[in-house]
Amino acid sequence: EVQLVESGGGLVQPGRSLRLSCAASGFTFDDYAMHWVRQAPGKGLEWVSGISWNSGSIGYADSVKGRFTISRDNAKNSLYLQMNSLRAEDTALYYCAKQTLHTDAFDIWGQGTMVTVSS
Amino acid sequence: DIQMTQSPSTLSASVGDRVTITCRASQSISSWLAWYQQKPGKAPKLLIYKASSLESGVPSRFSGSGSGTEFTLTISSLQPDDFATYYCQQYNSYWGGTFGQGTKVEIK
Repeated sequence: EVQLVESGGGLVQPGRSLRLSCAASGFTFDDYAMHWVRQAPGKGLEWVSGISWNSGSIGYADSVKGRFTISRDNAKNSLYLQMNSLRAEDTALYYCAKQTLHTDAFDIWGQGTMVTVSS
Repeated sequence: DIQMTQSPSTLSASVGDRVTITCRASQSISSWLAWYQQKPGKAPKLLIYKASSLESGVPSRFSGSGSGTEFTLTISSLQPDDFATYYCQQYNSYWGGTFGQGTKVEIK
């Protein structure tokens, strides 16, 4: 079964750091670009960051550039998001998502991990 | 940055209705547009990619059309399972892709 499972969310104080993980299974992980997408409570979807299959190309939303770092370990079938200098506005459910090979849409999503930034 | 504007924000409809949701891009994105369905407490689900291609396993009552800056998602006969929020996403940009603000389809 194709699956993405996120972990690492929690309650964190403003200015602190958190590292999210996404474990992939059921597909050849190192064939695909991967992304993080977040959704603040009651709000819409926001793309956060993406990484190519070999980590050679990486992109960030302006809202997280310079604070968040995406990475992957193809040997471990895992995607990561290091989040530093967290702000209240980073509070959201964070999804990892798999990009398709030929259409660039996101065809597989995890269930999400909640990050709450509050003092 | 490319902005995506969906309309309407909320739509009230009955089972069996034909429903159309519009998504407009701030600049041409060719056919690089996807539609997703999201139900409360669940992850988004890909419905349509490349503006008009139906994802495998998605019922044929869903269809997409458009190119350039104007796109539509149509549900030909609304079913009880279709009450959800729908998002468009452009992926013409080199990385990621802007989502529309969402359209909630409610029971009339």
